[in-house]
Amino acid sequence: GAVVSQHPSRVICKSGTSVKIECRSLDFQATTMFWYRQFPKKSLMLMATSNEGSKATYEQGVEKDKFLINHASLTLSTLTVTSAHPEDSSFYICSASSATGVYEQYFGPGTRLTVT
Amino acid sequence: GENVEQHPSTLSVQEGDSAVIKCTYSDSASNYFPWYKQELGKGPQLIIDIRSNVGEKKDQRIAVTLNKTAKHFSLHITETQPEDSAVYFCAALYSGSGNTPLVFGKGTRLSVIA
Repeated sequence: GAVVSQHPSRVICKSGTSVKIECRSLDFQATTMFWYRQFPKKSLMLMATSNEGSKATYEQGVEKDKFLINHASLTLSTLTVTSAHPEDSSFYICSASSATGVYEQYFGPGTRLTVT
Repeated sequence: GENVEQHPSTLSVQEGDSAVIKCTYSDSASNYFPWYKQELGKGPQLIIDIRSNVGEKKDQRIAVTLNKTAKHFSLHITETQPEDSAVYFCAALYSGSGNTPLVFGKGTRLSVIA
């Protein structure tokens, strides 16, 4: 299967600071990337859909000014959590689908964010 | 919109036995049904998928069946091993362009007891 990476795998930041998470498709071009948030022992909650070169589409209840998403190239999308608070602590996961594989979506390994 | 129900939420089996996880979906237009395995602290891994023009697909010890009329699909794991222990998610989507997000079930925590 296709490979998606995320960086960093873990990050600890202080309240009020911002943190950027990168999602890269390593061996395919991803026209669409998705960002999820997962709470312990829960399913994946879709935050936004990101298409290369255009603005992300956010799900209802997700603050677009707090969770900034950029998809500037076919292999890279970034999620920036701005002015982080402890309640933003979570497991953030991206997935990507390729331009040719119209069905399959491949997930990154996730990023554990802890806000102190 | 699409809604996916997954059962059971937890499942314990003895090593070597079979495990079956079932999902139902609501949107008859959905045409793609993947299954993901998620180990603790990791991202979901695509293990098998099925498209609506196929009734069954098998890959070694894993198989998926699809009943479009009843709108349900199932994951079957035979000869279970301890390393099969994980959380399994089913999902559904209608996609003609790859831009549609998956709709996930709530997951099944499978424990294989040695």
